[in-house]
Amino acid sequence: QKEVEQNSGPLSVPEGAIASLNCTYSDRGSQSFFWYRQYSGKSPELIMFIYSNGDKEDGRFTAQLNKASQYVSLLIRDSQPSDSATYLCAVNYGQNFVFGPGTRLSVLP
Amino acid sequence: ETGVTQTPRHLVMGMTNKKSLKCEQHLGHNAMYWYKQSAKKPLELMFVYNFKEQTENNSVPSRFSPECPNSSHLFLHLHTLQPEDSALYLCASSQDLDLLGASTDTQYFGPGTRLTVL
Repeated sequence: QKEVEQNSGPLSVPEGAIASLNCTYSDRGSQSFFWYRQYSGKSPELIMFIYSNGDKEDGRFTAQLNKASQYVSLLIRDSQPSDSATYLCAVNYGQNFVFGPGTRLSVLP
Repeated sequence: ETGVTQTPRHLVMGMTNKKSLKCEQHLGHNAMYWYKQSAKKPLELMFVYNFKEQTENNSVPSRFSPECPNSSHLFLHLHTLQPEDSALYLCASSQDLDLLGASTDTQYFGPGTRLTVL
């Protein structure tokens, strides 16, 4: 059973703080890792993807991948109320694309 | 609005009805997917098509029947559904699957169809 786990939250952070979202996965053979943001009532939209160990930065977002620990995270710097959403971690397992349950983030003004 | 469209956006149907969901992608992608998203549950992959050929069927009940006439269009035919099938049905597309059939490309989602089965 391929699994992707996330803390369901809610994770509450004050505006301007760093939000840290974590994800673990069960299959060491996974090669591609994705973070999606989903606003209530909307479809998921891609934020970042990462394939290699280490950090990948894009604006206020940083994805971190540690394949040895089977761990991928997303950091959001200078969090804004508009970042309040559910963040989905997704991992590819061959043809299968497995999503975690999502972490609900609330950025408080 | 993304390059993936879905119709209808909302659908209410009885358990004896037959209906179809439609998805169209304008991104030139070759792989398309159907997902189910229920309340309080993770996204569940239902079907994968690559170059119009079905490559994955995640043990989905036969009351869900996919059809992919070409790389741009994907349908999900519904018949004799159950109330527990009520969910958001999302279509997605990606550039391709790799030689091993792995989905390593970014997937782009449509807005979804909110289905209610009475």
